[in-house]
Amino acid sequence: TQLLEQSPQFLSIQEGENLTVYCNSSSVFSSLQWYRQEPGEGPVLLVTVVTGGEVKKLKRLTFQFGDARKDSSLHITAAQPGDTGLYLCAGGRDGNKLVFGAGTILRVKS
Amino acid sequence: DTGVSQDPRHKITKRGQNVTFRCDPISEHNRLYWYRQTLGQGPEFLTYFQNEAQLEKSRLLSDRFSAERPKGSFSTLEIQRTEQGDSAMYLCASSPFRQVYTEAFFGQGTRLTVV
Repeated sequence: TQLLEQSPQFLSIQEGENLTVYCNSSSVFSSLQWYRQEPGEGPVLLVTVVTGGEVKKLKRLTFQFGDARKDSSLHITAAQPGDTGLYLCAGGRDGNKLVFGAGTILRVKS
Repeated sequence: DTGVSQDPRHKITKRGQNVTFRCDPISEHNRLYWYRQTLGQGPEFLTYFQNEAQLEKSRLLSDRFSAERPKGSFSTLEIQRTEQGDSAMYLCASSPFRQVYTEAFFGQGTRLTVV
């Protein structure tokens, strides 16, 4: 059983469309991170959110941490083929290990 | 390059052989993590170190798996008597210790194939 549930599992969209990926849990985390991973490579850290209700923007990507620090979302505006990859959320507690969701595979078609 | 470095990137081994992977963390990071990832899944936690002390081991880490970080710098992960089910990407990550939250940076991984 995944402690962090990500949805959708797979998303295929056209270039220019917007999308949102969700990461949900019944547990409270002290921080939540989003990573992007390409085939055969390690995950690359995109953002860390630590405060309930926090919103962070990274160019066309907007990350939100839920008020109760149990869930998060990643919104991509005007997706581009270069956004294609596996998006992973990971939760941490008290500076210890991260637990990961199963990921959302995003494919952006040109 | 000051990122996390893993060696080798790829390893093909016959069932029953032993393999050892190495991870060099970011130099100022005192925490080091090992994860395993299979196709279509997120990384699964195996173990982590703070300096040279191994603080936690997952139940996934059977007796055939052992990890060390002898001087608090690089780490090795050894798998003895490999099985086909050990085929996976083995990921290493490091982080500076912060009491409130973990911010882990990953290496490129070692892809293990057991034939």
